[in-house]
Amino acid sequence: GAGVSQSPSNKVTEKGKDVELRCDPISGHTALYWYRQSLGQGLEFLIYFQGNSAPDKSGLPSDRFSAERTGGSVSTLTIQRTQQEDSAVYLCASSSVGGANYGYTFGSGTRLTVV
Amino acid sequence: AQRVTQPEKLLSVFKGAPVELKCNYSYSGSPELFWYVQYSRQRLQLLLRHISRESIKGFTADLNKGETSFHLKKPFAQEEDSAMYYCALATNAGKSTFGDGTTLTVKP
Repeated sequence: GAGVSQSPSNKVTEKGKDVELRCDPISGHTALYWYRQSLGQGLEFLIYFQGNSAPDKSGLPSDRFSAERTGGSVSTLTIQRTQQEDSAVYLCASSSVGGANYGYTFGSGTRLTVV
Repeated sequence: AQRVTQPEKLLSVFKGAPVELKCNYSYSGSPELFWYVQYSRQRLQLLLRHISRESIKGFTADLNKGETSFHLKKPFAQEEDSAMYYCALATNAGKSTFGDGTTLTVKP
């Protein structure tokens, strides 16, 4: 595609429900990243996929968070039993040549609100 | 562990004045540094990379390894430069660490 596509753009969910956020990276980009942007905060790293390698999950804040990337393309971030502190903008980014060193292309994000 | 510090949350200048957004980093390896910008109601986008030594929209940034800094500068700010700016450090591990961002307001 022309850019990184994320869906939904907005999601309001009740506390305790599960949510799935989707990211469709730029075609051919081997690296895919999920970050979280909370109000007034910087970008918090969540997880990183590079090709067929095992993902770097070191940023996932709890075991309620998981992500997968199917076929080296589309990725889904799942948050189980959502809590109010999960409310944030979830950003997906992709990068070519395997790694962050060429800079990221970001999606427009999913704004998650847990009520 | 790597760290990026942007000491100013908010920065306000008048149109035509010089502007400098500060960024300091800590990293034991060889850093790759970036500036990203997010204009109102737009997605976050790459502004410039230190390795390219380029000037984008009149902005430049020089990596100073001695001071571990990568400050973003523009000699004459424009109103359309008003945005949130993030400094980021990429490592060989393949992911980037971002600062908390600086909101720049350019007043007419």
